[in-house]
Amino acid sequence: KQEVTQIPAALSVPEGENLVLNCSFTDSAIYNLQWFRQDPGKGLTSLLLIQSSQREQTSGRLNASLDKSSGRSTLYIAASQPGDSATYLCAVTGNMLTFGGGTRLMVKP
Amino acid sequence: KAGVTQTPRYLIKTRGQQVTLSCSPISGHRSVSWYQQTPGQGLQFLFEYFSETQRNKGNFPGRFSGRQFSNSRSEMNVSTLELGDSALYLCASSFDTGELFFGEGSRLTVL
Repeated sequence: KQEVTQIPAALSVPEGENLVLNCSFTDSAIYNLQWFRQDPGKGLTSLLLIQSSQREQTSGRLNASLDKSSGRSTLYIAASQPGDSATYLCAVTGNMLTFGGGTRLMVKP
Repeated sequence: KAGVTQTPRYLIKTRGQQVTLSCSPISGHRSVSWYQQTPGQGLQFLFEYFSETQRNKGNFPGRFSGRQFSNSRSEMNVSTLELGDSALYLCASSFDTGELFFGEGSRLTVL
């Protein structure tokens, strides 16, 4: 059974900092890994999708990497802004989609 | 291009009742999947439909069921509601097994 863990569970940083969110998974037989953002009471917004054959994806200030052999992915956020405050979730697609517990990010002005 | 639309957005039911939630995927997307989100359990996969066929199912009791219509719209039904079914129910659509796009969710409260 796939298990996905996100560390840290919560993170508070001052505006302008670069930060890294971590996601680990137990079964490397995945099709892809996706990072999402969720604002309170809202649905999920897709940030980046990494196919199993890829090593990383970039979108603006976001960069996600994938290392299947070690079962790890990282989401790098450059020059964080207060608007980045949200919960960030990673999800891996194998036989089904499995989500991590999320990292609650607070960026202070 | 319209996103994923879920209705209703909020609803309140009492124990023992049943509920039906609707999801309209992004035009052209044939895969629709459903998830339950609770503070205690996080996001859990319910089931996935592709071209009107259930392709995958999570570990939920038989009270949770779904279906998909020929126009790719999907419904999920929960019968004999329990207090623990209170949750945000999220629907997502995708073109194939690629990127998922989520709706805003249906927040169910069971009293």
